[in-house]
Amino acid sequence: DAGVIQSPRHEVTEMGQEVTLRCKPISGHDYLFWYRQTMMRGLELLIYFNNNVPIDDSGMPEDRFSAKMPNASFSTLKIQPSEPRDSAVYFCASTAGYEQYFGPGTRLTVT
Amino acid sequence: SQQGEEDPQALSIQEGENATMNCSYKTSINNLQWYRQNSGRGLVHLILIRSNEREKHSGRLRVTLDTSKKSSSLLITASRAADTASYFCATEGPGANSKLTFGKGITLSVRP
Repeated sequence: DAGVIQSPRHEVTEMGQEVTLRCKPISGHDYLFWYRQTMMRGLELLIYFNNNVPIDDSGMPEDRFSAKMPNASFSTLKIQPSEPRDSAVYFCASTAGYEQYFGPGTRLTVT
Repeated sequence: SQQGEEDPQALSIQEGENATMNCSYKTSINNLQWYRQNSGRGLVHLILIRSNEREKHSGRLRVTLDTSKKSSSLLITASRAADTASYFCATEGPGANSKLTFGKGITLSVRP
């Protein structure tokens, strides 16, 4: 298995633009998590899905953030409009049990 | 708020020495996990210890759990330069549905 796949690996955008991050979980995993990592706040859980259904989105910072999981093999995290404070590394992770498997992350820079 | 709090925040040791990292948490847990993150990479699962276990081993890793003190420790024996990374503890609470809460991590530097 290729592991969790995220794209793009790097994204540089201007404030106000829409950003879409993509994730393909490991086949057979029924949980998918989106995290954000910054030096100041560490690793924060944004939202997670079970069998494509959002279970807990209490970590989503504000209405500018939205996430979807249209099927078991694909999820998106969208930021619209983006702001400089959204600059961070965004990770997707999946699991079929206890151990979470992380993707390589998307480094987002909003200027 | 962070559930796990690691201690120390940074640790620098010589290759061959043992590294001990600690984690404290606030509420009851189902299990506690340790992850490693190399610079610029995603987190990698190292070891899981359940709430009814006190100690587990995996290769050069030894993890302990004291639920009465709400604390855990990760020991890496005979450290190598390749162990240089950030280490995170993560807790899963009762009924958490696989949701983990991560600490801010410990930066371990192993000098060759």
